[in-house]
Amino acid sequence: DAKTTQPNSMESNEEEPVHLPCNHSTISGTDYIHWYRQLPSQGPEYVIHGLTSNVNNRMASLAIAEDRKSSTLILHRATLRDAAVYYCILSTGNQFYFGTGTSLTVIP
Amino acid sequence: ETGVTQSPTHLIKTRGQQVTLRCSSQSGHNTVSWYQQALGQGPQFIFQYYREEENGRGNFPPRFSGLQFPNYSSELNVNALELDDSALYLCASRRTGRATEAFFGQGTRLTVV
Repeated sequence: DAKTTQPNSMESNEEEPVHLPCNHSTISGTDYIHWYRQLPSQGPEYVIHGLTSNVNNRMASLAIAEDRKSSTLILHRATLRDAAVYYCILSTGNQFYFGTGTSLTVIP
Repeated sequence: ETGVTQSPTHLIKTRGQQVTLRCSSQSGHNTVSWYQQALGQGPQFIFQYYREEENGRGNFPPRFSGLQFPNYSSELNVNALELDDSALYLCASRRTGRATEAFFGQGTRLTVV
């Protein structure tokens, strides 16, 4: 099974950049890397996804290692609303493989 | 607003009973997946439906079954409920393809007593 490994928790000061790492050493050539975040008592929310190249959208940036065995989600300026559990996911075949996620705390 | 709605939001059942959870997909999405999320854990894939056929299944026993209807809405049925089935059940809809964005509902919190 495709798996991801993330730190259990991270902290960031408000308005500073945050780099959330993810290892996915078993990734196959056609697996996409997705990031979702989840607030308490809510369903996961899409953040960003990519295959090989770095990706940017209005919410974040995704940096993918050249060998694709790791990636980093970058929040450019953390706000209090960014406090959530962030999941790095491999999209392979017909399913998403979620890891245990990183709980991000944003300090005012 | 994701457009994916699940019902009911909360449910309490007794061990051994059967339960049906429902999901309405976002408009234009033909693929629906169901996930089980235990407290403090990441969601675990149960199965996926595409055009009314199951086309992927995770490591869940046959007492977990599903349906997808012509309007792409979906049901998750669980028979012979066990205490360990207590969890948040999430439905996600998307257009088919591994590169597409999935939209999740708010989930149904199932408690088995």
